[in-house]
Order: sequence, then structure tokens, then C-alpha cells
Amino acid sequence: DIQVTQSPSYVSASVGDSVTITCRASRDISTSFAWYQQRPGQAPNLLIYGAANLQSGVPSRFSGSGSGTHFSLTISSLQPEDFAVYYCQQAHTFPLTFGGGTRVDIK
Amino acid sequence: EVQLVQSGAEVKKAGESLKISCRGSGYIFASYWINWVRQVPGKGLEWMGRIDPSDSDTNYNPSFQGHVTISADKSIFTAYLQWSGLRASDTAMYYCVRDDSSGFYYDWGQGTLVTVSS
Repeated sequence: DIQVTQSPSYVSASVGDSVTITCRASRDISTSFAWYQQRPGQAPNLLIYGAANLQSGVPSRFSGSGSGTHFSLTISSLQPEDFAVYYCQQAHTFPLTFGGGTRVDIK
Repeated sequence: EVQLVQSGAEVKKAGESLKISCRGSGYIFASYWINWVRQVPGKGLEWMGRIDPSDSDTNYNPSFQGHVTISADKSIFTAYLQWSGLRASDTAMYYCVRDDSSGFYYDWGQGTLVTVSS
């Protein structure tokens, strides 16, 4: 299986801050990579696909980058609704695998 | 509007059988894979497997293969996840997810919470 290591597991930030979350895949997966946001009590929601493509309807303060084994999600100017858990996912090889998640909390 | 509507929460005992469902609407059901994803309370996401409703072709995560069965009935636009012998460790939220075979999960069901007591 391809392992996906996500960091940090927790980040505390204020409204207006910029936050970057990173993931590392255990082998080259090109850009077969996605990011999801999960708010409490809700299903995950796709933010970024293909490593850098913004899903329709997702605010432009979210951006993704990377290829190969290293990927990142940046949220510029955090808004109150952005405090949630974020997961990364490799979509290159079955079984598809997710990172362990990053909780973004209000400072 | 694409919708995936899952069956309601279940409370079962270890050893019992269970089948939960996911009904798709707002799109051509047979044209998209349906995946099942597990989330243990307070934990992360795990891909369990998927089914192509057009021909019932399935792929399983080896970690779940043999313990669950994924099926579909395209005539009623519904996919299923079933267990023949539940364990306490199966306690989790289960999501069905529509997939265009890219592996990117655009549309999720609301989740079905399964609680198994020992």
C-alpha cells in the first residue's frame, strides 16, 4: 500500500492567518492527489483534486501544490468556517489511502 | 442535483448480520463507481472498496476483503455494504461516495452510523 503521512496533526491559528498542511506519499504518485475538508458532524468535502485543481464552489483562499511524493494545502486568510479537519488522499494506486488528518482549531 | 442518500443508523450485536444502503439520484447511476469509506469515531478515513453498478465489478481493500460484501442493484439505483458477522471493531460511520473512476471523491452520502456491541 502507498502510505500517506500528513503533518502537522494539529494546528492552532487565528482568523486571517495563513496555514499550510503537508503530505508525503511513500512513492511517486504524480499528481493523483486530493484534499478534503471535514466539518464536525458532516461528510468530507472535496477541496482540491489533481494536486492543484480547485473544486467548483471552493473559495480561492484554498490552494494545493506538489507532485511526485510531496504535496501541500495552503489556506490563506483563515475564515471562521475553515476551522475543521483536513485530509489528504492518494488516488494513484489501490487501495486508495488517506493521510491521518490535520485539525485546524481557533487560537 | 446529485444526491447519495444512505440508510439510517443501526445498533447491532456482535455476530449479527447487517446490510446498509446508498441510493443515488440526479445522475446516471450505472455510469459512476460507488465507493464505501469507513471512519471510526474520532479517527481518519479508510477506503473499503468500490463497485461499478453497470456490471457489479468490485474492487476491495485487502484489509476488508472477506469481511464485507459490496453489491448493487442498478434497477433501483442502490448500492449496498453488508456484513455476515459483525464485530465490535466495526463500530464506525460508513460513507458511500460517487467516483468517476478518477479516485477523486466529489459526492458523498450523509453517512450511516453502525454501532456494534459485544
